[in-house]
Formats: sequence, structure tokens, C-alpha cells
Amino acid sequence: QVQLVQSGVEMKKPGASVKVSCKASGYTFSLHGINWVRQAPGQGLEWMGWISGYNGNTKYAQKFQDRVSMTTDTSTNTVYMELRSLRSDDTAIYFCAREGNNHGWKYFDYWGQGTPVTVSS
Amino acid sequence: EIVLTQSPGTLSLSPGERATLSCRASQSLSYNYLAWYQQKPGQAPRLLIYGASSRATGIPDRFSGSGSGTDFTLTISRLEPEDFAVYYCQHHGSSPMYTFGQGTRLEIK
Repeated sequence: QVQLVQSGVEMKKPGASVKVSCKASGYTFSLHGINWVRQAPGQGLEWMGWISGYNGNTKYAQKFQDRVSMTTDTSTNTVYMELRSLRSDDTAIYFCAREGNNHGWKYFDYWGQGTPVTVSS
Repeated sequence: EIVLTQSPGTLSLSPGERATLSCRASQSLSYNYLAWYQQKPGQAPRLLIYGASSRATGIPDRFSGSGSGTDFTLTISRLEPEDFAVYYCQHHGSSPMYTFGQGTRLEIK
């Protein structure tokens, strides 16, 4: 069965960086992209970006363009999301989600459990 | 950039009633590139509907999606206790690019 397992809780100081991992299993990694979505406390869902499982190409939301990097390790089927220059308003739960595709319609069909990131001095 | 506006912000209904949730796009959506998700407290979102009207695997048939262009609807025909949650619509554009609505909270009346 498809599983996305994320790394654990992170606590960071303002200005630091955080790197969250998402290990995929149960499907052919190269056939699906992975997206990152975050959710601040009590708020809605915010898309951060996408990375191809095939060739590592990326597309970032404009809001995060200058601070985020997404990478893959195909030897372990793991995706990483690094967010730099952290601020208090980056405090959120960060989810990875697999991109499904059916006749051109795309959606997030499997999600990781979420990684809480707290940014505080 | 397309903006998705969901209404109402909160919907209060009783089990057994019908729920109608709206998602309006700021521009017409190509090919009905619209999905719906359900999120319960402390959980990751769950895919319900894609392509505006196709149910995802394992989703009960009391959930249905409809609409085209700029106006889309998620209908839950008869509410079960486990359906009370927050619902999000999502659009995917080219390149890829994704946008979520702000969510509708469905609460027990």
C-alpha cells in the first residue's frame, strides 16, 4: 500500500533552516510527483511547491520561491523540503502529498502524516 | 492567479440532512480541474472528488461533486456523524500550480 512517512517534530529559531523528509513506499516513485502543503495553526491549506519523482524538476509557489528547496533521493525514494530564513509565521504543520493523475486531472491522493515545525526564539 | 472562494465559511447541520458546499473560482477553470478534500482535526486531508465530479477510490456515494466554469458544488446527500469536518476545494493549473480555497467548516447543529 502507498505510504508517505515524514520526519518528526522540529523546533527552530528565527533565521534558521529546517529540512523535512518524506519517504515514499508502495508505488513506483518515478511515476508520481510529490507536493508540499503547509497549514498554520487554525488556518487553511497552502501549497508550497512540487517536485517530479521522475527527474527532480521543481515548481515552487511564488511566495516561497526565494526560501524553499525541494530535492529527491531516488536511492531511498525520499523527498526533502528545506525552508530557509525561518520566521515565526512559518510555524505550521508541513505535509507531503503524492500527485495522482487520471486522464489529465491531477490531485493529491496520498498524504504524509504531517511534520509540525515551530519557529520561536 | 486563480482565487477560489468557498461558502459558507461555516455550515451547521444535523446528521441525516443534506449539505451543499460551494466553491467559486475567480476565472473559468480549464477542464474542470477542481478537487475536493475533507480534513478532520489532527489528520491529513483526504481526497474526495477530482475532475469536479469523479469520486476518489473508497469514497461513499453520498459524496458528489458538480459544476463547471467558475461555480462548483460538493454535496453530501445524507450527513453521517463522521462527515463533520473541514472541506477544501483545490484547483490545479498548468506548469504545475495548485490553489486551495479557504475551507468550509461543517459542524453539528
